[in-house]
Amino acid sequence: DAKTTQPTSMDCAEGRAANLPCNHSTISGNEYVYWYRQIHSQGPQYIIHGLKNNETNEMASLIITEDRKSSTLILPHATLRDTAVYYCIVRVPRGSSNTGKLIFGQGTTLQVKP
Amino acid sequence: GAGVSQSPSNKVTEKGKDVELRCDPISGHTALYWYRQSLGQGLEFLIYFQGNSAPDKSGLPSDRFSAERTGGSVSTLTIQRTQQEDSAVYLCASSPGTSGALGEQFFGPGTRLTVL
Repeated sequence: DAKTTQPTSMDCAEGRAANLPCNHSTISGNEYVYWYRQIHSQGPQYIIHGLKNNETNEMASLIITEDRKSSTLILPHATLRDTAVYYCIVRVPRGSSNTGKLIFGQGTTLQVKP
Repeated sequence: GAGVSQSPSNKVTEKGKDVELRCDPISGHTALYWYRQSLGQGLEFLIYFQGNSAPDKSGLPSDRFSAERTGGSVSTLTIQRTQQEDSAVYLCASSPGTSGALGEQFFGPGTRLTVL
């Protein structure tokens, strides 16, 4: 089962920041927080990941609370093309005893509106 | 370079028939995953290949499902005696790096399987 909980759906106005929350209160010390998104009829797409520090890349920012029990994905200027299902996933690094498989929950359906 | 490719993009088959789904990972990626996405179950892990190691088959739902990866590259997922509940989108993903890697998984577009 997924170790994360996310709101089922959210709306965001085009051009505004989209803030997607995720709870992972049972996260282990060696588990990373990953975000993927899935645009309709496409395969999932990697967005960002982090362990305990905040992270930023060209797509988004990831804010992880100090106790690591929750995080927020921020899309700074949402566009219509960002309409998708966003998945928050906790995952251990791939190793001799870990496959690094992704365990998907139901995700958050983000609808960006004009 | 090209991304992960899968074929066919769509497959319609009759109940009881066998099907083969193909995945071409990104060149040089050592890890390969199969997932499936169905309306009732969401996205679920099926099987994992890493180099020459024995695959992790823990996600395969029944012994009708099998997969192989030849030469560390192309992978084929085979479903024997298909059932209607096998209808889903089958997704393949590949990932670079070796043990300890945090690398992202790159997904293909999927094969939509419909069992009549």
